[in-house]
Amino acid sequence: LAKTTQPISMDSYEGQEVNITCSHNNIATNDYITWYQQFPSQGPRFIIQGYKTKVTNEVASLFIPADRKSSTLSLPRVSLSDTAVYYCLVGAPLRTGRRALTFGSGTRLQVQP
Amino acid sequence: NAGVTQTPKFRILKIGQSMTLQCTQDMNHNYMYWYRQDPGMGLKLIYYSVGAGITDKGEVPNGYNVSRSTTEDFPLRLELAAPSQTSVYFCASNSGQAPYEQYFGPGTRLTVT
Repeated sequence: LAKTTQPISMDSYEGQEVNITCSHNNIATNDYITWYQQFPSQGPRFIIQGYKTKVTNEVASLFIPADRKSSTLSLPRVSLSDTAVYYCLVGAPLRTGRRALTFGSGTRLQVQP
Repeated sequence: NAGVTQTPKFRILKIGQSMTLQCTQDMNHNYMYWYRQDPGMGLKLIYYSVGAGITDKGEVPNGYNVSRSTTEDFPLRLELAAPSQTSVYFCASNSGQAPYEQYFGPGTRLTVT
């Protein structure tokens, strides 16, 4: 299972764009990159998932370079409610007898007014 | 849809006691998971199930047992509780069509003293 490395914490201000980068140097061919968000005292929530290039949804964008050894989660114009822990996960779909996704320690984003 | 529900929300156990954490989902998902999250850490997979009657160990299964008699329910059993099992427990589920988008319950905060 590919190990991921992401910053422990980041600070930002309301209205700014926030980019959180995750390194996954030993990503496998079948692995996808997934990002989750977790608020205090809640379970994680799926944000976005991608395999290569760029993926965008109503919440965020995910940029993946050609070598796929890293990825960047981009949150446009953050607000106070975006203060949370963000997890980068790398893995392949669960099949019988295979392991599921592994959550690292995540990046704690603090948004200031 | 209620999504993924967990009971109880909080529980205090004495060392050596046993209990069952309940998890129910109403999304007809085949895949279900149990994670634990220690303070300031990411989630660790305890057990998972790919369908009724099929379960398998995750990263940290010792001290726990599971069963999956129906698609909806995936209870987690703690036998002989130990202080090391003090944690927040999350149940999650997803469909085979979206293997990376797991839906999490609100969690059960367990303290063993």
